Amino acid sequence: AQSVTQLGSHVSVSEGALVLLRCNYSSSVPPYLFWYVQYPNQGLQLLLKYTSAATLVKGINGFEAEFKKSETSFHLTKPSAHMSDAAQNFCAVSSGANSKLTFGKGITLSVRP
Amino acid sequence: KAGVTQTPRYLIKTRGQQVTLSCSPISGHRSVSWYQQTPGQGLQFLFEYFSETQRNKGNFPGRFSGRQFSNSRSEMNVSTLELGDSALYLCASSQGFEETQYFGPGTRLLVL
Repeated sequence: AQSVTQLGSHVSVSEGALVLLRCNYSSSVPPYLFWYVQYPNQGLQLLLKYTSAATLVKGINGFEAEFKKSETSFHLTKPSAHMSDAAQNFCAVSSGANSKLTFGKGITLSVRP
Repeated sequence: KAGVTQTPRYLIKTRGQQVTLSCSPISGHRSVSWYQQTPGQGLQFLFEYFSETQRNKGNFPGRFSGRQFSNSRSEMNVSTLELGDSALYLCASSQGFEETQYFGPGTRLLVL
């Protein structure tokens, strides 16, 4: 079975500050890991994904995440927050061979001016 | 390329009724998955179809069913609606397993 833990439901940062959203996973097989973003009244948009290539993954809008097998983590970071980054962010895991995505509870990112 | 489209976008039903939601995947995508999103349970996997066959199913009662057509379009049906079925239903398509899933805007269902 696979699972994702996203600690905390809300993160608030100032514009221009570092963004760090934490994600820990559990998987019995080598995982595929994803970060998706959801803006109000919209579907999910892929930010980035890890599929066993480079452990540091770069995504859209300046976001990146690092896969750390020893820590079973896949934390999302962005050096400088922008007001447009305010959204709900979901970490998800799949086994690759099975398309089913298992999501974390999500973290709402707020950006203060 | 057009993205994943879902119809209708909003729906209001009453308890006991049934509902059918539709999803058109990105052109060339053969896999369609459905997810339910609620404030309490978050995002939960319903089922996945690939080439008209259900390949995987989540832990939902039999009232939830789906199908996929030869053009890869998919429908999901919920019979005997309950208040707890109120949710955002998201459809995602991909070229196949191990491929990225792209999500549609969702259908927001309200059961009264």
